[in-house]
Amino acid sequence: DAGVIQSPRHEVTEMGQEVTLRCKPISGHDYLFWYRQTMMRGLELLIYFNNNVPIDDSGMPEDRFSAKMPNASFSTLKIQPSEPRDSAVYFCASSPHGGLHEQYFGPGTRLTVT
Amino acid sequence: AQRVTQPEKLLSVFKGAPVELKCNYSYSGSPELFWYVQYSRQRLQLLLRHISRESIKGFTADLNKGETSFHLKKPFAQEEDSAMYYCALRTANTDKLIFGTGTRLQVFP
Repeated sequence: DAGVIQSPRHEVTEMGQEVTLRCKPISGHDYLFWYRQTMMRGLELLIYFNNNVPIDDSGMPEDRFSAKMPNASFSTLKIQPSEPRDSAVYFCASSPHGGLHEQYFGPGTRLTVT
Repeated sequence: AQRVTQPEKLLSVFKGAPVELKCNYSYSGSPELFWYVQYSRQRLQLLLRHISRESIKGFTADLNKGETSFHLKKPFAQEEDSAMYYCALRTANTDKLIFGTGTRLQVFP
């Protein structure tokens, strides 16, 4: 089992460009979470889905960020237009159920916006 | 608002010394607390959860509701404990976790 898969692993882009991050959760997991990790703010939840439906997007910083989950095996996080302050590591995690169940994290995508 | 505070960004100890990574939370209801760990070049993973009251890799954490704390402790640190540790809070009626900013533990030989 490859676990949660994220692509790309590294992304370098110029300010103003569109960035799309991808995630494949573990098969059978009903929950999918997107996080952003920075030195200053640590790990912040951006949005999470249950059975492909967005449940809480209160952590999405602004309208430039959007996330979709068209099916149970794929999710995207899009930033348009990107800004230097978006530079961070973005993690995707999945969980078989909510609540006390462990979240299984992907390897992360390191995004650098110049 | 619910919040998790990890006051130390970096904690350095020598092998064999006791370790305590601090975690305080703010939440007026019944919290559920977790410690996640990220070893070098590995994925973030669950270390322990307070409800299990278990010891994992020699680490324990006790929920102190009076002090709103969930400090992670180990009596004798090992070099392989060097990692980034995150404390996380789940509040009632939600499936999301609120993470602290993390503490990097360095264990020197």
